[in-house]
Amino acid sequence: AQSVTQLDSHVSVSEGTPVLLRCNYSSSYSPSLFWYVQHPNKGLQLLLKYTSAATLVKGINGFEAEFKKSETSFHLTKPSAHMSDAAEYFCVVSAPSNDYKLSFGAGTTVTVRA
Amino acid sequence: EPEVTQTPSHQVTQMGQEVILRCVPISNHLYFYWYRQILGQKVEFLVSFYNNEISEKSEIFDDQFSVERPDGSNFTLKIRSTKLEDSAMYFCASSESRGEETQYFGPGTRLLVL
Repeated sequence: AQSVTQLDSHVSVSEGTPVLLRCNYSSSYSPSLFWYVQHPNKGLQLLLKYTSAATLVKGINGFEAEFKKSETSFHLTKPSAHMSDAAEYFCVVSAPSNDYKLSFGAGTTVTVRA
Repeated sequence: EPEVTQTPSHQVTQMGQEVILRCVPISNHLYFYWYRQILGQKVEFLVSFYNNEISEKSEIFDDQFSVERPDGSNFTLKIRSTKLEDSAMYFCASSESRGEETQYFGPGTRLLVL
């Protein structure tokens, strides 16, 4: 079985300060891990993905995530938040043991203060 | 950039009525999916579809649900007799192949059953 836990349901940051969104996963096999973002009234957009290559993954809009197998974590970071980063973020896992179905975390809502 | 589109964006229906949610996947993609998100809950996998047949379905996807690719571009989800608990956001996704391939999501259809 596979699952994802996003440790924060809501994160509030000031513009220009770092963003950290925490994600822990469980999977019985080598997983693929994704971060998706959803802006209001928009679809789920892929930010980045990890598929067993480099453990530090760079995505769009300055986001990056580090896969840490020993900690079963895949935290998302950005050094400097922008107002346009206000959105909901989903950590997602898939694995061959679960027929590559995506399992979503509950989501983290990010608000950015001016 | 190609994207997945969904119509309608919002649908309100009476309990017991049939609804059809429509999706146009990315044109060269071969695998299609439906997910749903009940308000306040996680995004859940419903069904995957390949080569004109269902390849995987979840426990949620009971006899009230069906999917179809009626022509070369559309992918539909039909709920035969809607229940109050079917109220949710429904997301369509597509991918070039299975495995580690990224699933690209549409903006969703918000369904409200009264």
